[in-house]
Amino acid sequence: DAEITQSPRHKITETGRQVTLACHQTWNHNNMFWYRQDLGHGLRLIHYSYGVHDTNKGEVSDGYSVSRSNTEDLPLTLESAASSQTSVYFCASSDGIFPYEQYFGPGTRLTVT
Amino acid sequence: KNQVEQSPQSLIILEGKNCTLQCNYTVSPFSNLRWYKQDTGRGPVSLTIMTFSENTKSNGRYTATLDADTKQSSLHITASQLSDSASYICVVSSFDQAGTALIFGKGTTLSVSS
Repeated sequence: DAEITQSPRHKITETGRQVTLACHQTWNHNNMFWYRQDLGHGLRLIHYSYGVHDTNKGEVSDGYSVSRSNTEDLPLTLESAASSQTSVYFCASSDGIFPYEQYFGPGTRLTVT
Repeated sequence: KNQVEQSPQSLIILEGKNCTLQCNYTVSPFSNLRWYKQDTGRGPVSLTIMTFSENTKSNGRYTATLDADTKQSSLHITASQLSDSASYICVVSSFDQAGTALIFGKGTTLSVSS
């Protein structure tokens, strides 16, 4: 069955370190998204991509970057991790057909100490 | 400002009872409204998606309603089960962006007890 996976599921890192969170989908979806989820907030969009070599900034993109070298993967990189980036991160993908249903991965819980 | 407000913030009900969750939004232009279920430690899973012209949609024991005039939606859960314990998130999509302008509510946490 097609699916979307994220790794690692849990990560503890130190302030200032570079961290990369992986997202892999087997639906062959063109559209992929990264969100963060924090207490007291709805999910917030970090970056998104409409296809290979396409990337766009979302609402809370500062301190994050993504690259899209193939259809299946959209890794999220924290260039220099900060305590404010402690959060649960979700990757999602969707096809290009209205109403653009999004399918979410299981999430990565990141703690920056 | 585009916003999605959900109420109540949390809810506790007995197994077998019905409940209704509310969602008010101020998103414009409107494309569609979604309800997601998020179990603890998992990603959100879609329950329903309703476009402007749809005012009711069911998925098993879940029934969502949409009033586009008053910008309100509700999610009704019938004959609740312990497995319904989760966070329910209302999400509104804006019309002219292919899924990028999703505005998420903060969710209603439902606890079903036996």
